[in-house]
Amino acid sequence: DAGVIQSPRHEVTEMGQEVTLRCKPISGHNSLFWYRQTMMRGLELLIYFNNNVPIDDSGMPEDRFSAKMPNASFSTLKIQPSEPRDSAVYFCASSRFMDYEQYFGPGTRLTVT
Amino acid sequence: KNEVEQSPQNLTAQEGEFITINCSYSVGISALHWLQQHPGGGIVSLFMLSSGKKKHGRLIATINIQEKHSSLHITASHPRDSAVYICAVIPDSNYQLIWGAGTKLIIKP
Repeated sequence: DAGVIQSPRHEVTEMGQEVTLRCKPISGHNSLFWYRQTMMRGLELLIYFNNNVPIDDSGMPEDRFSAKMPNASFSTLKIQPSEPRDSAVYFCASSRFMDYEQYFGPGTRLTVT
Repeated sequence: KNEVEQSPQNLTAQEGEFITINCSYSVGISALHWLQQHPGGGIVSLFMLSSGKKKHGRLIATINIQEKHSSLHITASHPRDSAVYICAVIPDSNYQLIWGAGTKLIIKP
């Protein structure tokens, strides 16, 4: 299995632009998690899905952030409009079930200038 | 007080030494997760355990549910073990991982 796939690996954009991060979970995994990692706050859970349904989005910082999972093999995290404080590494992880071991993607390093 | 505490925060050791990283938590859990993050940034799951002990190669993880404590041990440490080791728990009240702050390990040759 290829593992969790994220794209792009690096994104540099200007403040105000829309940013879309993509994630393909491991086939057969029913749960998908989006995390953000910064030096100041460490790893933060933004949102997680089970069977393509968002279960808890209380970690999403603002309305500028939205996430979708249209099918079992694809999820997006969108930031519109982006701000410099959104600069971070965004990780996607998947697991067979919500309380099972999570497997992380390589992350997307986002820089908003 | 953080719900998941790791110690030490930083650890520098010589190649070959036996390493122990500790994790204490204050909530009821269904499982505990040890992960490794290399300087390049990737996060790798090492263990997930809810009781007893697991071993994989030179890595050993133990958990004592009654004492709410887990340890990660590395035997015959090697410079390539240098990374940040993160403890995270799955509370039995929901599925959101609660993360420790991580332990930065440096193994010198």
